[in-house]
Amino acid sequence: DTAVSQTPKYLVTQMGNDKSIKCEQNLGHDTMYWYKQDSKKFLKIMFSYNNKELIINETVPNRFSPKSPDKAHLNLHINSLELGDSAVYFCASSPHRARNEQFFGPGTRLTVL
Amino acid sequence: KQEVTQIPAALSVPEGENLVLNCSFTDSAIYNLQWFRQDPGKGLTSLLLIQSSQREQTSGRLNASLDKSSGRSTLYIAASQPGDSATYLCAPDSGAGSYQLTFGKGTKLSVIP
Repeated sequence: DTAVSQTPKYLVTQMGNDKSIKCEQNLGHDTMYWYKQDSKKFLKIMFSYNNKELIINETVPNRFSPKSPDKAHLNLHINSLELGDSAVYFCASSPHRARNEQFFGPGTRLTVL
Repeated sequence: KQEVTQIPAALSVPEGENLVLNCSFTDSAIYNLQWFRQDPGKGLTSLLLIQSSQREQTSGRLNASLDKSSGRSTLYIAASQPGDSATYLCAPDSGAGSYQLTFGKGTKLSVIP
């Protein structure tokens, strides 16, 4: 009965490859997010997605793209991976705006070699 | 642009002690503020959510206060236990429909048995 799940938990890949991370929430939430936690443990928002409205953090390279096949899923696609993309990526979700408590997934540790 | 500062960066206390973690933020036009804990190698666990209209919120041994006008929040932990050892993160929501949280760098708490 996991609330927010991510796959895979670990991802090791070569520079230049394209990869995807999947996220699913079974909480019936309206909004989903992707965050990046870098090597210094600093957590930053990448995207938020609500009812087909995508809000992008302007610092995120366009090699990163979120894809939402339905309300319960928000996948993260990364093209042409670079060494600096190595980080832990967290997916989160929240109910409607009036109560914006966010619930996080366990994270995906991406290592680019 | 919202900026969040958490003081201290690290704290070590003996078991049983009461303690206070501090959080300050630059943009007081927040919708709400959330406190999380993060255990090593794990995702974030939501502890408390304070709406902008509230002054404090309590859950068990945890009490969070919010002074929106001065841009401050505190997390009080009573009768600390070794299991409280984790990194505590403060994250105000910048509101205005952004659905986004801005995180501080956290306070790493160690409770010594």
